[in-house]
Amino acid sequence: EAGVVQSPRYKIIEKKQPVAFWCNPISGHNTLYWYLQNLGQGPELLIRYENEEAVDDSQLPKDRFSAERLKGVDSTLKIQPAELGDSAVYLCASSLGSQEENNEQFFGPGTRLTVL
Amino acid sequence: AQSVTQPDIHITVSEGASLELRCNYSYGATPYLFWYVQSPGQGLQLLLKYFSGDTLVQGIKGFEAEFKRSQSSFNLRKPSVHWSDAAEYFCAVGPYTGNQFYFGTGTSLTVIP
Repeated sequence: EAGVVQSPRYKIIEKKQPVAFWCNPISGHNTLYWYLQNLGQGPELLIRYENEEAVDDSQLPKDRFSAERLKGVDSTLKIQPAELGDSAVYLCASSLGSQEENNEQFFGPGTRLTVL
Repeated sequence: AQSVTQPDIHITVSEGASLELRCNYSYGATPYLFWYVQSPGQGLQLLLKYFSGDTLVQGIKGFEAEFKRSQSSFNLRKPSVHWSDAAEYFCAVGPYTGNQFYFGTGTSLTVIP
């Protein structure tokens, strides 16, 4: 069974440029998560989707970040414009659901973003 | 407020020695607790989890963890460390309303021959 797929694995951009990250969750997983992981820190949730609905986006900086999960499968996270402080690893995870035994999260390898 | 504290930023152990990584949590309800491992350039892999029942849980790769409600702790242990265990270890608590997981800042493990 394929795991969570993310692309690109690495991205280097100049500040003020836009950038997008893509995530394909494990087949059949209804819940999808985007996390931000700064160097030396644990992941912090940006947004959680239940199917195509964003049900928790309180930590997403909406002035520059946006996300979508059309058709409730794969998802895209966008930053426009990027700032120096956005340099981090962006992790995608998925789970069967979000209740108890179904909420074990499977993580992708992440996208390492460097903003110059 | 919900939070997870991993007091040890970095730990070094000799191969074959025992290991204990500490995790303390603050949570407003019955916690669901997790330990993840992250190798360089990789995503997080679940080692074990605690939902309810037996407070000593067994995980993959020979790891175990014990939930102690009175101490708000969920420490990870391994009796004999292998060089391949060198990685970053994260403790997490959740879900709460909105199913948000809270991760600790991680403990980096170095294994010396």
